[in-house]
Amino acid sequence: LAKTTQPISMDSYEGQEVNITCSHNNIATNDYITWYQQFPSQGPRFIIQGYKTKVTNEVASLFIPADRKSSTLSLPRVSLSDTAVYYCLVGDQDTPLVFGKGTRLSVIA
Amino acid sequence: EPEVTQTPSHQVTQMGQEVILRCVPISNHLYFYWYRQILGQKVEFLVSFYNNEISEKSEIFDDQFSVERPDGSNFTLKIRSTKLEDSAMYFCASSDSYNEQFFGPGTRLTVL
Repeated sequence: LAKTTQPISMDSYEGQEVNITCSHNNIATNDYITWYQQFPSQGPRFIIQGYKTKVTNEVASLFIPADRKSSTLSLPRVSLSDTAVYYCLVGDQDTPLVFGKGTRLSVIA
Repeated sequence: EPEVTQTPSHQVTQMGQEVILRCVPISNHLYFYWYRQILGQKVEFLVSFYNNEISEKSEIFDDQFSVERPDGSNFTLKIRSTKLEDSAMYFCASSDSYNEQFFGPGTRLTVL
């Protein structure tokens, strides 16, 4: 399984764009990159998934460079309700989700 | 929007007792999972279930654990003889593929 490394925590002011970078140097050819969000005492919630280049949905964008050894989750104009833990997961479609410690994002008014 | 539901939200039990945690996955989903999260720690995979059988399980999922889909809608996790270290949030998840998994709100299990 590809190991992921992401910052333990980040702070941001409301209205700013937040970029959380995850490194996964030993990502395999069949691996996808998936991000989940978790609020306290709740189950993780899927945010976005990608394989290469850029993926955008109504919540976030995911940027993946050509070598796929890292990825960046971009949250536009965060609000206080975006305060959560964000997990970067790497794996193919046949492996269970392996969560790391994630990045604790704190949004400040 | 369809969602995964779990009952009870909080279960308190004595060490050595059996507990059954219940989940109702999203109705058209085919893949089902249990995870746990000890307070302040990572979300850990326990087991995945597809086509009425376990497809994968972690080292945590030992003989004390079992899963069942008894009636086509519920998905249960049974812990036969609970230990103090089983205290955790248990999350059920379901998916219609190996991609996006939808998690339930969790059951907080407290073993005394």
